[in-house]
Amino acid sequence: KNEVEQSPQNLTAQEGEFITINCSYSVGISALHWLQQHPGGGIVSLFMLSSGKKKHGRLIATINIQEKHSSLHITASHPRDSAVYICAVRISNFGNEKLTFGTGTRLTIIP
Amino acid sequence: ETGVTQTPRHLVMGMTNKKSLKCEQHLGHNAMYWYKQSAKKPLELMFVYSLEERVENNSVPSRFSPECPNSSHLFLHLHTLQPEDSALYLCASSQDSWTSAQSSYNEQFFGPGTRLTVL
Repeated sequence: KNEVEQSPQNLTAQEGEFITINCSYSVGISALHWLQQHPGGGIVSLFMLSSGKKKHGRLIATINIQEKHSSLHITASHPRDSAVYICAVRISNFGNEKLTFGTGTRLTIIP
Repeated sequence: ETGVTQTPRHLVMGMTNKKSLKCEQHLGHNAMYWYKQSAKKPLELMFVYSLEERVENNSVPSRFSPECPNSSHLFLHLHTLQPEDSALYLCASSQDSWTSAQSSYNEQFFGPGTRLTVL
C-alpha cells in the first residue's frame, strides 16, 4: 500500500464545475505539495502546505494534519485545467526526510 | 516558462551508449533535483544537490551518475542503461533544499523533462 493515496484516479467534468481532488497519507509529515503535470511532462508546483489552507486564483488547497488528509479544489473549472494533479508528502523518519509521491489524479475538463 | 530548461527533450539510446542529460536553471536557486517518472508509477526522487553538494541519493543504480559543476547546472550521465530505465526524467530547482526548515523558500520549479527511450 502506498504511503500516499489519491482519489479519484481519473475525473472528467464539465467546464464550470467545482472540482475536488483528495490526498490521504498514512504517516506523520512535515509538508505536503500539490503539483500539476500537463501532457508532455512539464510539472508546475501549485502549493506547499504544512497546515491550514492556501489559495491561488481559482485553486484552493487545504490540509488537515490530524486526519492526514489534503484536498485540492478548483473553482469554475476550465479545459486548460486538464492535467494530472500529483500530491507529494515530506516524511520525516529519525532525522531522515523522504519525499513520497502519489500516483496522480488525471483531470479532464470538457468544454 | 519556469526558468528551468532541460536538454535534450527526447533521447533514444542503446544499452551500450553513454549520454548525458543537462539541466540549467536561471532562477538563482541553490538546490537542484533529478526525478524519474515511469509510466503508471509515482514520481521518484533520484538525487538532490544543495550548494553543489549531493545531499540525497535515493538508492539509484550506479549507471546513473549526477554531476553539479555549479549551482546553475546539473547533469545526469547515463551509461549501460536498461530498457526499464526508459522514462521521463525531470529536473527541478528550489531556492533552498526541500529539507530546509525555511519552507517558504523550497518550492520546486520543474523543467519540461527529457523523454528517454532505451532500446
